[in-house]
Amino acid sequence: AQSVAQPEDQVNVAEGNPLTVKCTYSVSGNPYLFWYVQYPNRGLQFLLKYITGDNLVKGSYGFEAEFNKSQTSFHLKKPSALVSDSALYFCAVSPLRGTDKLIFGTGTRLQVFP
Amino acid sequence: DAGVTQSPTHLIKTRGQQVTLRCSPKSGHDTVSWYQQALGQGPQFIFQYYEEEERQRGNFPDRFSGHQFPNYSSELNVNALLLGDSALYLCASRTRDPGGNEQFFGPGTRLTVL
Repeated sequence: AQSVAQPEDQVNVAEGNPLTVKCTYSVSGNPYLFWYVQYPNRGLQFLLKYITGDNLVKGSYGFEAEFNKSQTSFHLKKPSALVSDSALYFCAVSPLRGTDKLIFGTGTRLQVFP
Repeated sequence: DAGVTQSPTHLIKTRGQQVTLRCSPKSGHDTVSWYQQALGQGPQFIFQYYEEEERQRGNFPDRFSGHQFPNYSSELNVNALLLGDSALYLCASRTRDPGGNEQFFGPGTRLTVL
């Protein structure tokens, strides 16, 4: 079955330190990969996507993600965390290119401490 | 430029009732998808509409139906509500132009079924 795994329910990091939020997927073929962020009482905001090309993708607010095909992973990273980055992060996969069905992970809550 | 808008913000219904949720896509977008996000879970794809027809559907029963209007706005209808239908319902839109892969999400409608 197609699935997305975010193995950490919560990630805690001190402000100024690098952060990583992990994501692995189990989807056949060459899916599109996405990261979204959700703030309280808000919808999902798009951060970045991987379609093809360079394995390191840069997105909004200084976030980037590294695609690793052999490990079927798409980890979200940021060199220096901000308190304002604290939110719920979702990894998503579009298993069939060109379609809108996204399969989401269960989310990882990022807590950045001052 | 208005983003994706949804109405109402909150809704309380009782079991067995019917509900209609509404979505206006981001300006310039013609494709709308609906997702259900249960508490503590990632969003689950319900269906997608473009050109006023349902194009893709997730694993949801026929109690969930939708409609897209000529102005690209959309409705989600749920009949015979169950307690388990309580969730945040998210609408997402995108353009079908090449490269317009990412979906933009609205703030959601919080449905509570008592």
